[in-house]
Amino acid sequence: AQKITQTQPGMFVQEKEAVTLDCTYDTSDQSYGLFWYKQPSSGEMIFLIYQGSYDEQNATEGRYSLNFQKARKSANLVISASQLGDSAMYFCAMREGRDAGNNRKLIWGLGTSLAVNP
Amino acid sequence: DGGITQSPKYLFRKEGQNVTLSCEQNLNHDAMYWYRQDPGQGLRLIYYSQIVNDFQKGDIAEGYSVSREKKESFPLTVTSAQKNPTAFYLCASHLAGSGEQYFGPGTRLTVT
Repeated sequence: AQKITQTQPGMFVQEKEAVTLDCTYDTSDQSYGLFWYKQPSSGEMIFLIYQGSYDEQNATEGRYSLNFQKARKSANLVISASQLGDSAMYFCAMREGRDAGNNRKLIWGLGTSLAVNP
Repeated sequence: DGGITQSPKYLFRKEGQNVTLSCEQNLNHDAMYWYRQDPGQGLRLIYYSQIVNDFQKGDIAEGYSVSREKKESFPLTVTSAQKNPTAFYLCASHLAGSGEQYFGPGTRLTVT
């Protein structure tokens, strides 16, 4: 079973509008972290935002915010005031708990392609 | 500037040849990772290393090998045993105790 599910293969948004990219996750750990990355056509992965499972407030970074609903196991990314440069692939990822080696492996979703229209 | 470099950006090889992808970081990060990305797919972990001279297999290690002789360097060798080596390869690192991984620009490998 997929641990990270991104149900929207592609999304369109009008410039200057807000858009929400969905991410649901599956874990039995109490301690975990959720990440969003942006991948433009150049290929590099750019870290956007992080939410820890024990964080009481939703994470925000500039125009990015994370709508964290723990009971529903969802961690949706909200991009406000979309810009043309936001057109890219967006990936949700999860780090589960802590193993004995302080492993920081990430589990990745399949991504959502966002196109911002002028 | 601190960061992760991967070279070359594009790499072409003939089937049956081994090829080594470079990954260097000057961020003083402890852990380093190699991922493979196929078209329309997420990232799959090949190998990772948490400290020098130590590394572990990820989810798709078959046909790949790595070394970690220096903290700054984590080269990946794609061997002839890898059945479908054509892919985009991303190297990442993170500092112990921090959350996010930082990525290099990637190497696009084409094997014909």
